[in-house]
Amino acid sequence: DSGVTQTPKHLITATGQRVTLRCSPRSGDLSVYWYQQSLDQGLQFLIQYYNGEERAKGNILERFSAQQFPDLHSELNLSSLELGDSALYFCASSTPSGGTDTQYFGPGTRLTVL
Amino acid sequence: AQKITQTQPGMFVQEKEAVTLDCTYDTSDPSYGLFWYKQPSSGEMIFLIYQGSYDQQNATEGRYSLNFQKARKSANLVISASQLGDSAMYFCAMREGVQHTGNQFYFGTGTSLTVIP
Repeated sequence: DSGVTQTPKHLITATGQRVTLRCSPRSGDLSVYWYQQSLDQGLQFLIQYYNGEERAKGNILERFSAQQFPDLHSELNLSSLELGDSALYFCASSTPSGGTDTQYFGPGTRLTVL
Repeated sequence: AQKITQTQPGMFVQEKEAVTLDCTYDTSDPSYGLFWYKQPSSGEMIFLIYQGSYDQQNATEGRYSLNFQKARKSANLVISASQLGDSAMYFCAMREGVQHTGNQFYFGTGTSLTVIP
């Protein structure tokens, strides 16, 4: 168990809908990262937040947005969903205090868009 | 160009033997970090080992070691004494730039390792 929690584990929805994925980082970690893992695109970095502020942006679509709250949990919002958004969405967290920025991953949320 | 290249889609190894999973990377930034993760069939991503671009020694973590050849831009993972539980997908990843400065992270396409009893 990495200490990172994600809810829900599974989500099934229809095209055009909007969903919210939730992530709680490991205790003490200030950085949260979101990734999308799909069969055709592999593991893609979406976005990073550090202590509530956006720190880095990857291949995140405009239909997707994220935020990190004062209690450091983060939410990834996916709107106007398309079939191609079906994927495993991971959240990861890391700590800035010395050492490396190793990311510890949550169990993921599997999104199925029908 | 791909930032991380893993050229072995699938590998087989006999139990108790050692295996090397290849990874090459592409960056012009002198500061970067290299990571290996394991993804079993259950889906979670498990951190295995880290190598910083300025680290002089190859990283080791138990049965895992990273063969870091900076000039060749390769960061191969070596698993010694393979176990059945090592059967999984293995991903090489890179953080570009100095850590904790808002970085891009890149993952390879993965290598599926099967350990044969």
